[in-house]
Amino acid sequence: DAGVTQSPTHLIKTRGQQVTLRCSPKSGHDTVSWYQQALGQGPQFIFQYYEEEERQRGNFPDRFSGHQFPNYSSELNVNALLLGDSALYLCASSLARAGEETQYFGPGTRLLVL
Amino acid sequence: RKEVEQDPGPFNVPEGATVAFNCTYSNSASQSFFWYRQDCRKEPKLLMSVYSSGNEDGRFTAQLNRASQYISLLIRDSKLSDSATYLCVVFASGGSYIPTFGRGTSLIVHP
Repeated sequence: DAGVTQSPTHLIKTRGQQVTLRCSPKSGHDTVSWYQQALGQGPQFIFQYYEEEERQRGNFPDRFSGHQFPNYSSELNVNALLLGDSALYLCASSLARAGEETQYFGPGTRLLVL
Repeated sequence: RKEVEQDPGPFNVPEGATVAFNCTYSNSASQSFFWYRQDCRKEPKLLMSVYSSGNEDGRFTAQLNRASQYISLLIRDSKLSDSATYLCVVFASGGSYIPTFGRGTSLIVHP
């Protein structure tokens, strides 16, 4: 039973560039959430995708966008990178059912913006 | 006031000790609560859900106090392997699936 996978594991970009991060959910899960975790902080919710649509969004600017594919995998895109975007980006999958809010996290992508 | 607050610690305890963490939340309509564990440079992993009646899993006990709006995690007989950051997670009500994480409490168990 494959867990949540993410790619790449590490990434170095420069200010102004764009980045795409990828996530495959746990087998059987249909919902993917993305989080940003800065050093010493808890994960901050970016957005959630279900049925290929953004269902919920946290307090992040439009530079952060995403996509979900028919196979439930997902991408996170960040445009016009800022130094402050350096963080661990976590993907979590779950089931879109009441009482099934448990989030299963992938290993994350460490993004460094120089 | 932050939506979910935790004492960042670190809590430094000897092996065998009992340690307790609290997590307070501001939204009185919050419905679901969880504790996650995060090891250094790893992803968070579910430790346990928190039920209204309280629940226990081996050495770990979770409690919910709705009146005072906090959840707690008690770890008995601490092991070296319990050293990690413990994150509390709160889901708002009304069908929202947006979880709010606390910043985590760091636990260091020493020999």
